[in-house]
Amino acid sequence: DIQMTQSPSTLSASVGDRVSITCRASQSIGSWLAWYQQKPGRAPKLLIYKASSLESGVPSRFSGSGSGTEFTLTISSLQPDDFATYYCQQYHSYSITFGQGTRLEIK
Amino acid sequence: EVQLVESGGDLVQPGGSLRLSCAASGFTFSDHYMDWVRQAPGKGLEWVGRTRNKANSYTTEYAASVKGRFTVSRDVSKNSLYLQMNSLRTEDTAVYYCVRVAVVVPAANDYWGQGTLVTVSS
Repeated sequence: DIQMTQSPSTLSASVGDRVSITCRASQSIGSWLAWYQQKPGRAPKLLIYKASSLESGVPSRFSGSGSGTEFTLTISSLQPDDFATYYCQQYHSYSITFGQGTRLEIK
Repeated sequence: EVQLVESGGDLVQPGGSLRLSCAASGFTFSDHYMDWVRQAPGKGLEWVGRTRNKANSYTTEYAASVKGRFTVSRDVSKNSLYLQMNSLRTEDTAVYYCVRVAVVVPAANDYWGQGTLVTVSS
């Protein structure tokens, strides 16, 4: 299976900050990477697909970049609603795998 | 509006069986791959299994951790997705999500149900 490693595991930031989360794949996955946001007690929500495409309805402060084995999710100016856990997911292989998650908390 | 509503979660003893259901609406069910994804308490997301769409004969794939024990199926006449879980283990305790795959594959999971809790314990 392709292993997905996110960093950092926890990120402390303030409203208005620009933050980035990194996801590394154990082998090349092209651009077949998605990012999800999950809040406590809720299902995950798709933010970014194909590494850099913004899902409909998702605010433009979210952006994704990267290809191959290294990917980044950036939030340009943190809003109170953005404090949540973020997961990357590769769908290059039929055996889909997720990163372990990055918890974004209020500093 | 796309809706996915899971049901069937329960407390079951190790070695037991359980079938989860997911009622889908608001889209052409046969056109989409469908996944089950689970999340153990306080842990991350784990893909469990998939059924492909009608064009791909509804073939299935499974994570190594459940292969041979779990079966994904669908009833297109009822717009329903199922997860039959046999030989359950304590490590199968999780919230199970029914998830749609966006129509043009390879694709991400664009709609998720609210989840149903399965607890495996004696």
